[in-house]
Amino acid sequence: DAKTTQPPSMDCAEGRAANLPCNHSTISGNEYVYWYRQIHSQGPQYIIHGLKNNETNEMASLIITEDRKSSTLILPHATLRDTAVYYCIVRVPNAGNNRKLIWGLGTSLAVNP
Amino acid sequence: NAGVMQNPRHLVRRRGQEARLRCSPMKGHSHVYWYRQLPEEGLKFMVYLQKENIIDESGMPKERFSAEFPKEGPSILRIQQVVRGDSAAYFCASSPVASSRSGYTFGSGTRLTVV
Repeated sequence: DAKTTQPPSMDCAEGRAANLPCNHSTISGNEYVYWYRQIHSQGPQYIIHGLKNNETNEMASLIITEDRKSSTLILPHATLRDTAVYYCIVRVPNAGNNRKLIWGLGTSLAVNP
Repeated sequence: NAGVMQNPRHLVRRRGQEARLRCSPMKGHSHVYWYRQLPEEGLKFMVYLQKENIIDESGMPKERFSAEFPKEGPSILRIQQVVRGDSAAYFCASSPVASSRSGYTFGSGTRLTVV
């Protein structure tokens, strides 16, 4: 079972920030938080990951709470092309042979014009 | 710099036939992962392979499914005697040899329809 919980769906107006929450209250000390998204009928796309510090890249920002039990993915200026299902996953990178990702149902984000 | 290539994009098979799905990892990547996605569901891990080795097949059904990643050529996911319940999208991902915290790169998937 996935170790994360996310709201099933969210709406966002085009041009506004989209803030997608994720709860991972049982995260262990060496587990990272990863975000992927899946645009309809396409393969998942890696967005960003982090351990405890906030992270930013060209796609998004990741805010992780101090106790690491939850995080928020921020798309600063959402566009229609950001409409997708967003998945939050926790895992230990390079944990020997345990490389699999365990996926929940994610959050279906609809960006509206 | 080609990404992960999967083919075919769409595959239709009659019940009882065999399905072969191919995945060519990104250049320099020697780790391949297969996932299955049933309609309206999240992805489910199937198998993790390195060149010529199956490392983790804990998500593979015990019968009819097999996977390989030969020294030369793409990784192959093979489904024998397909049934309607095998209809799904099958995604392949790859990662490099060196230890990396980076996310995996996924292909566009093969959509298998069993009629």
